[in-house]
Amino acid sequence: NAGVTQTPKFRVLKTGQSMTLLCAQDMNHEYMYWYRQDPGMGLRLIHYSVGEGTTAKGEVPDGYNVSRLKKQNFLLGLESAAPSQTSVYFCASKVGGKREQYFGPGTRLTVT
Amino acid sequence: AQSVAQPEDQVNVAEGNPLTVKCTYSVSGNPYLFWYVQYPNRGLQFLLKYITGDNLVKGSYGFEAEFNKSQTSFHLKKPSALVSDSALYFCAVRGLIYNQGGKLIFGQGTELSVKP
Repeated sequence: NAGVTQTPKFRVLKTGQSMTLLCAQDMNHEYMYWYRQDPGMGLRLIHYSVGEGTTAKGEVPDGYNVSRLKKQNFLLGLESAAPSQTSVYFCASKVGGKREQYFGPGTRLTVT
Repeated sequence: AQSVAQPEDQVNVAEGNPLTVKCTYSVSGNPYLFWYVQYPNRGLQFLLKYITGDNLVKGSYGFEAEFNKSQTSFHLKKPSALVSDSALYFCAVRGLIYNQGGKLIFGQGTELSVKP
């Protein structure tokens, strides 16, 4: 049971490039979330999903898109990366009926 | 609007002394409150939660937190700090409005440093 995994762990992009971050969970959780963590700002929710095939916007969704084609995977896409998207990205998941979320190890993204 | 505040960016404690990491919240209705810990270059780990019932909640690694409704606080405590407790601690509250998908609102984090 690997829990929540994220790939890649590190990435450097040039402004305007695109990329996809993958989150996978093997706990059969219904809910999945993408956060970004910036110094002094805690974690801010980008997008989330309450089940396969569904997504919704969080607090800071601009510049990001997501997809949840399979229950175990939640993809975060950056279509045209900007330096303001330099951050550490965390994925989390939880089972319906439970309150706590379980987090992946994070992806450190730098946009130059 | 719902929010969480951690008034201290950093807390310094000597090993063996009690520690407190403060958290206050603002939310409509009854809150669901959480503490998470983040070790360097790692993801967040769940420590404990308050949903309902006893105001003193016990969690992992000897930590506990006290829910105080009148002061809208949920301070994290440990009777005797360890050097290995040094990490970044986040308080979070769950939004209770229907269809919010169990989203968490996080405080900005408090860096705990425990010195030998």
